[in-house]
Amino acid sequence: SQTIHQWPATLVQPVGSPLSLECTVEGTSNPNLYWYRQAAGRGLQLLFYSVGIGQISSEVPQNLSASRPQDRQFILSSKKLLLSDSGFYLCAWSPRASGNTIYFGEGSWLTVV
Amino acid sequence: AQSVSQHNHHVILSEAASLELGCNYSYGGTVNLFWYVQYPGQHLQLLLKYFSGDPLVKGIKGFEAEFIKSKFSFNLRKPSVQWSDTAEYFCAVNEWGKAAGNKLTFGGGTRVLVKP
Repeated sequence: SQTIHQWPATLVQPVGSPLSLECTVEGTSNPNLYWYRQAAGRGLQLLFYSVGIGQISSEVPQNLSASRPQDRQFILSSKKLLLSDSGFYLCAWSPRASGNTIYFGEGSWLTVV
Repeated sequence: AQSVSQHNHHVILSEAASLELGCNYSYGGTVNLFWYVQYPGQHLQLLLKYFSGDPLVKGIKGFEAEFIKSKFSFNLRKPSVQWSDTAEYFCAVNEWGKAAGNKLTFGGGTRVLVKP
């Protein structure tokens, strides 16, 4: 069966420091991969998605970037964190075919201080 | 761009009461519709989904949702809630046939508190 893991689960970082959240998927190949951000009362906002290695699409302008160095690895990064980057970040995957269910990881709480 | 609206941000009810959460979307094409649930301390998980066919969809834990195309709605219902249904519920939509990305657009979520 397929599994998705992301880490770290919680992170407290000072303003201006770099960020790296990592996500891996097991049990499938060539998945679509996603980074979402969940803000209270605002649902989930899609930040990035990827349909293949090295292919990243950004949905909103921001201080973050994403990379997909391997088929089942998706990384969310920042060179310099802002206070406004605090939040709950979710990695997700779906089978390649259109319209399929998206499956979420456990999420990572980021607090920028 | 499509959007998804969930009308209630917070719902408080007692056990055995009936629950209905509203969801409306703004996309005129063919859509896939989802309800996700997030129990306290747990990750998001799929409750039910509609792709085609019978517009009344049955999900896990006694939940169901009805797709009404003319109203652009996909409301979630449960006839009799339990304390364990306390969670945040998210409606989501994606555009059928979009080849790239399979992107979901989420509603703002509804927090449901069931009092024992």
